[in-house]
Amino acid sequence: KAGVTQTPRYLIKTRGQQVTLSCSPISGHRSVSWYQQTPGQGLQFLFEYFSETQRNKGNFPGRFSGRQFSNSRSEMNVSTLELGDSALYLCASSVGTSGTYQETQYFGPGTRLLVL
Amino acid sequence: QKEVEQNSGPLSVPEGAIASLNCTYSDRGSQSFFWYRQYSGKSPELIMFIYSNGDKEDGRFTAQLNKASQYVSLLIRDSQPSDSATYLCAVRSGGYNKLIFGAGTRLAVHP
Repeated sequence: KAGVTQTPRYLIKTRGQQVTLSCSPISGHRSVSWYQQTPGQGLQFLFEYFSETQRNKGNFPGRFSGRQFSNSRSEMNVSTLELGDSALYLCASSVGTSGTYQETQYFGPGTRLLVL
Repeated sequence: QKEVEQNSGPLSVPEGAIASLNCTYSDRGSQSFFWYRQYSGKSPELIMFIYSNGDKEDGRFTAQLNKASQYVSLLIRDSQPSDSATYLCAVRSGGYNKLIFGAGTRLAVHP
C-alpha cells in the first residue's frame, strides 16, 4: 500500500503571500490531520478532517485553514505568511473510525516551508 | 506545566545496551499513547502504541504504561547505532485524532 504523500516537498515564499499544501492519505484512510513542526515549538496539532468535515482544531490563528475532498485528499492553506510560519508541515492519515482510541496515525514526508 | 514532557537528552548508550526513554503527561483522561521515531530531516515513524496499563512488547521495543502515575516509557533492547534518532511521545487528547507531542528525546547509540 502506498504511504501518505505530500506536495510540494519544499517551498519558499515571502511574507504576506499565501500557500496551499496538499496531502493524499493512505488508500482507505478517511481521516487527515495536519501538524506544524518547528525547532522551538515542536510538533503541534493544527486540525483534523474526516469525511470532508473539520472535527478537531488546534490553537492556531485563522490564517491557517484546510479542507478535505470527497476522495479524502486534503489541502491546507496559510494566508498572509509570517516569518514564524517557516516550518515542516506534516500530514498524518488514519482510518478515521470515530471513537476508536486504538486508532493510529501515519505521517507523510512533510512539506518544508521557508518564509523570507 | 507542559501537557507531555520528555527529557530532551541526548541520551547516550553503548551499542547492545538497553535504552530507556520516559514521558509524563498531565491529562488523566488520556487513553492512548504513542511512540514515534524521527530521524534527522525525516518525518515521524510510528513505533508502538499502548492503551492498557502494563507492558507491550514488539521485537526489541517494549512500551510501558502506568496511568496512575501518568507516565509512559519505551525500552529499546540491544540498541543499535541505527536506533540513533529523536523519539517522540504522543498522547491522544480530546478524542478523535488530536495528538499532543512531547518535545522528544534524542537518543545516540555509540559503537
